[in-house]
Amino acid sequence: AQSVAQPEDQVNVAEGNPLTVKCTYSVSGNPYLFWYVQYPNRGLQFLLKYITGDNLVKGSYGFEAEFNKSQTSFHLKKPSALVSDSALYFCAVRDILYASGGSNYKLTFGKGTLLTVNP
Amino acid sequence: NAGVTQTPKFRILKIGQSMTLQCTQDMNHNYMYWYRQDPGMGLKLIYYSVGAGITDKGEVPNGYNVSRSTTEDFPLRLELAAPSQTSVYFCASTERRGNEQYFGPGTRLTVT
Repeated sequence: AQSVAQPEDQVNVAEGNPLTVKCTYSVSGNPYLFWYVQYPNRGLQFLLKYITGDNLVKGSYGFEAEFNKSQTSFHLKKPSALVSDSALYFCAVRDILYASGGSNYKLTFGKGTLLTVNP
Repeated sequence: NAGVTQTPKFRILKIGQSMTLQCTQDMNHNYMYWYRQDPGMGLKLIYYSVGAGITDKGEVPNGYNVSRSTTEDFPLRLELAAPSQTSVYFCASTERRGNEQYFGPGTRLTVT
C-alpha cells in the first residue's frame, strides 16, 4: 500500500517569512501526490497535485510544492506566509483500492500538520 | 454550482439510535466517497461509489451502510450508533478516479 508521512504535527512561522510543510511518501511505481488545506470547521480544499512533469508544482493561494524523487519528498512551500494561511494541511497519495468488482483508486492521507502563522 | 453539500452540520445521537447523513453533489461526478476524520488520525475511507447503483467498502465500513440511487446523492446510514462513531464525516467526489477529490463541509457527529 502507498503511504505518506507528515513528520511535523505543528509548524509555526512568522508572517512574511517563508513556510515549509513537510511530506514524505512511500509508493511502488510513479506517485500521484496531493496537498489539501482545512480551515477550522470546514471541509478539505484541494491546493495542488503532482502527477508527472515539472518537479515544482504551483497551486492555489500562492502555494507550491517540490517533488523530490531521490528524497521521496513532496514538501509544500510558500515564499511569504500570511496569518490567513493558518490551517491544517494534509498530504495525500493515490492508492489502489482492491474491491470485489476490481481495483479502483483512493486517497491515503497523512495525519496532518497544523500551521500557525504569527503576526 | 454548489459543489458538494452535506446535511446536517451537527448531530448528537444516543447510543443505539440510527441516522442518515446526506451528501449531494452537482458536478455530475461518478465517483463519490465517505470519510471519517478523527483528531490526529487523518481521514479514513468508509465507503465509496463509482456510479449510480455501485458501492463498495473502504477501510472502515463496519457500522455503516450506503446507497447510490442517483449520480447526485450518496447517503451514509448509521445503524445502532456507538460512541466509537463520534467523528467528523466528510463526503467527497471526483470526476475521474485517482484525481483530486472535492469535499463537502462535513457533519460533526457525537454519540453519547
